[in-house]
Amino acid sequence: DQQVKQNSPSLSVQEGRISILNCDYTNSMFDYFLWYKKYPAEGPTFLISISSIKDKNEDGRFTVFLNKSAKHLSLHIVPSQPGDSAVYFCAARALDGNMRFGAGTRLTVKP
Amino acid sequence: EAGVAQSPRYKIIEKRQSVAFWCNPISGHATLYWYQQILGQGPKLLIQFQNNGVVDDSQLPKDRFSAERLKGVDSTLKIQPAKLEDSAVYLCASSTQGVGSPLHFGNGTRLTVT
Repeated sequence: DQQVKQNSPSLSVQEGRISILNCDYTNSMFDYFLWYKKYPAEGPTFLISISSIKDKNEDGRFTVFLNKSAKHLSLHIVPSQPGDSAVYFCAARALDGNMRFGAGTRLTVKP
Repeated sequence: EAGVAQSPRYKIIEKRQSVAFWCNPISGHATLYWYQQILGQGPKLLIQFQNNGVVDDSQLPKDRFSAERLKGVDSTLKIQPAKLEDSAVYLCASSTQGVGSPLHFGNGTRLTVT
């Protein structure tokens, strides 16, 4: 049951450049989308979210874009910093509160 | 604000043994979740509580897993008997009510079944 998919298991970018992490979903009933960041031996930490009625949400260096027709969202980090190196999970929430996660993308930002 | 507390951090048991995990959510958070995260996969919901009532336990293997939320605050998740495939990180999360409310996760319990 993979309703949320992150097809890139890893991504490597140079410090200062843009990081783009992608996520696809299949369930049109999802109405809220979230990105979480996870460091080793810690639980996921909430990063940024977007409602299905919007197509963009920005918070500092982080911007999430939502394309409902394509059932696709992306997280842009610019400029990328070495401290951004972590696993990023995309999550989607249905009206019943049930949140489904993708498998994650490991981002490495090289100095 | 204190975060979600979980214990123990690590647990190693043999198959067919039993194990229990404990979670204390953020104060005032009505909703509590238990997730299982197998290596290389995203977290998978096991059970969701709203106060002390179960909202969703459709993915909980009820023949071996059980969970309760005492008085709508702390929660325990038990596995009895454990199988090799139960090796995973068990994450507890809590949130306030509201569709857009993010989940706040604890650091998890890493279970190894040998």
